[in-house]
Amino acid sequence: EPEVTQTPSHQVTQMGQEVILRCVPISNHLYFYWYRQILGQKVEFLVSFYNNEISEKSEIFDDQFSVERPDGSNFTLKIRSTKLEDSAMYFCASGRSGLVSTQYFGPGTRLTVL
Amino acid sequence: GENVEQHPSTLSVQEGDSAVIKCTYSDSASNYFPWYKQELGKGPQLIIDIRSNVGEKKDQRIAVTLNKTAKHFSLHITETQPEDSAVYFCAANKEDSSYKLIFGSGTRLLVRP
Repeated sequence: EPEVTQTPSHQVTQMGQEVILRCVPISNHLYFYWYRQILGQKVEFLVSFYNNEISEKSEIFDDQFSVERPDGSNFTLKIRSTKLEDSAMYFCASGRSGLVSTQYFGPGTRLTVL
Repeated sequence: GENVEQHPSTLSVQEGDSAVIKCTYSDSASNYFPWYKQELGKGPQLIIDIRSNVGEKKDQRIAVTLNKTAKHFSLHITETQPEDSAVYFCAANKEDSSYKLIFGSGTRLLVRP
């Protein structure tokens, strides 16, 4: 069964550094998402992406965040200048169609900012 | 904004017993309610979902019920097995206007052999 994959599984970085989290969505899916879960808190929506554009974003997704689909298979989340409070588990998800569509989640990347 | 509350936060049951997890949502425009199971080291996996045009949906040992008037929905697992042990998340979405899933805080289910 096709799965969403994410790399790396764990990323440690220094405050102020840039990080790129990578995701490979399910191959015939067209809609892509990032969520995050700070330890002990709820899973929170960050952004949705379709046709090389952001279709929806939350208030968390400020100017230090960006997303990109650099090729036909990868979907990335970039955090420009990491802060301590960016430490969280980041989940990528994908869906076949848009608003009426199941979202399939990857295993997550644990980001630790020191 | 939209909020989803989930209870209980932990649930321990004997193998073979039933488990019920409840969620309430605040936005009456929500119309799609998925349930995800998260095992250790894995991402959330969809186990069942329900849309607001039905009141109940069943898939083998798993069922979900929805009460739109009261704005709550529940996950029912019957004949629980040790492999059902995991964290379960409910979520809500306004399917015709938003991509965003609003998640509950999760329930850690432990099935004792």
